[in-house]
Amino acid sequence: QVQLVESGGGVVQPGRSLRVSCAVSGFTFSDYAFHWVRQTSGKGLEWVAAIAYDGNSKYHADSVKGRFTISRDNSKNTLYLQMNSLRAEDTAVYYCARSYGALVGPTPTVWGQGTLVTVSS
Amino acid sequence: QTVVTQEPSFSVSPGGTVTFTCGLSSGSVSTSFNPTWYQQTPGQAPRTLIYSTNTRSSGVPDRFSGSILGNKAALTITGAQTDDESDYYCVLYLGSGISVFGGGTKLTVL
Repeated sequence: QVQLVESGGGVVQPGRSLRVSCAVSGFTFSDYAFHWVRQTSGKGLEWVAAIAYDGNSKYHADSVKGRFTISRDNSKNTLYLQMNSLRAEDTAVYYCARSYGALVGPTPTVWGQGTLVTVSS
Repeated sequence: QTVVTQEPSFSVSPGGTVTFTCGLSSGSVSTSFNPTWYQQTPGQAPRTLIYSTNTRSSGVPDRFSGSILGNKAALTITGAQTDDESDYYCVLYLGSGISVFGGGTKLTVL
């Protein structure tokens, strides 16, 4: 069955870096675009980044631009989010989500369970 | 900066009908924004209900429907059930690779 499994979350100090991953199975990874979406405790969803099926087109929200980078390895069926210069306001559950198409226009429709990132000294 | 707007909360009686909307701080929503709707209960990942304006996701009951109403996207629940008590979010694709979520609507069924 279709599965998206995030990993790599944890506690990190402000200013440090962390990389979260999303391993997928049950479908052809390279056929779809992917998104990262985050949610702070008790708050709403925030779109963070998106990447097209071939990794050639990448987009980031203004709130993370220049600090976070989305990437993918189609040979490993894995999506990544490299997070640098982390801030307290980046504390959230980070969800990996598959688009319903190959490009980033189609929105997320299949979700992982999320991984918690806590930025604290 | 474009803001996606949703009603903060709604209340509906069991068996009743409720319509949530998803608008823009500036301009009108059309199908080209690929409106998508999610349901989320506390501690759970979002569940996709409707994508591409009006396509029901697999396994979603037909009491959930999506449309464009006036200048907004809309999600209608016809025959609400107590299990429908959740938070509901919309997302719009604004172009240039950017998507934006609405702030969510909390639905109470009582």
